[in-house]
Amino acid sequence: IAGITQAPTSQILAAGRRMTLRCTQDMRHNAMYWYRQDLGLGLRLIHYSNTAGTTGKGEVPDGYSVSRANTDDFPLTLASAVPSQTSVYFCASSEIQGSNSPLHFGNGTRLTVT
Amino acid sequence: QKEVEQNSGPLSVPEGAIASLNCTYSDRGSQSFFWYRQYSGKSPELIMFIYSNGDKEDGRFTAQLNKASQYVSLLIRDSQPSDSATYLCAVKRDRGSTLGRLYFGRGTQLTVWP
Repeated sequence: IAGITQAPTSQILAAGRRMTLRCTQDMRHNAMYWYRQDLGLGLRLIHYSNTAGTTGKGEVPDGYSVSRANTDDFPLTLASAVPSQTSVYFCASSEIQGSNSPLHFGNGTRLTVT
Repeated sequence: QKEVEQNSGPLSVPEGAIASLNCTYSDRGSQSFFWYRQYSGKSPELIMFIYSNGDKEDGRFTAQLNKASQYVSLLIRDSQPSDSATYLCAVKRDRGSTLGRLYFGRGTQLTVWP
């Protein structure tokens, strides 16, 4: 089934540790995104990539990094996790062209930093 | 001012009633508008998109767009308990440096009681 796969589903991480959240899509979408979702704050964009080889910062990029080596994969790395990064992380993808191209979301990764 | 504003709710309606969800946006350059539904613990899923002024109907759902007032709404007719979820309004820019990015409101929590 075509879509976006995120891994892991959930993770408990000690503060200061490094962690990479994985995201893979098989829809050949140009654009990919990482959001975090926190109660009362909604979905906030962390980083995005409009095409393989390029990335950009979203609303809340500090403490996170991304790479886009190919079309399918868009990993998100926390270099040194802090408790404020406890959140649910969603990876998404879309075609940029076309006004009606929506975001497709993965199932999310629930991260707890202790 | 946040890009996209929604009443956080909760909005509570009886089964069979019409639920009305509202959203305003700040950027007149916004071109495309989306409504996502998110069940608790799940990822957002697309319900409808609209990019022309007026109404767009899909089954029990009607999206309404008024670009002059920078206002978009979602009406759910004959509401069912299964419609109980958080509804996210999202706005997309199709030009400039933020091409293709989606901006989300914080969501409105809807409860449909039997």
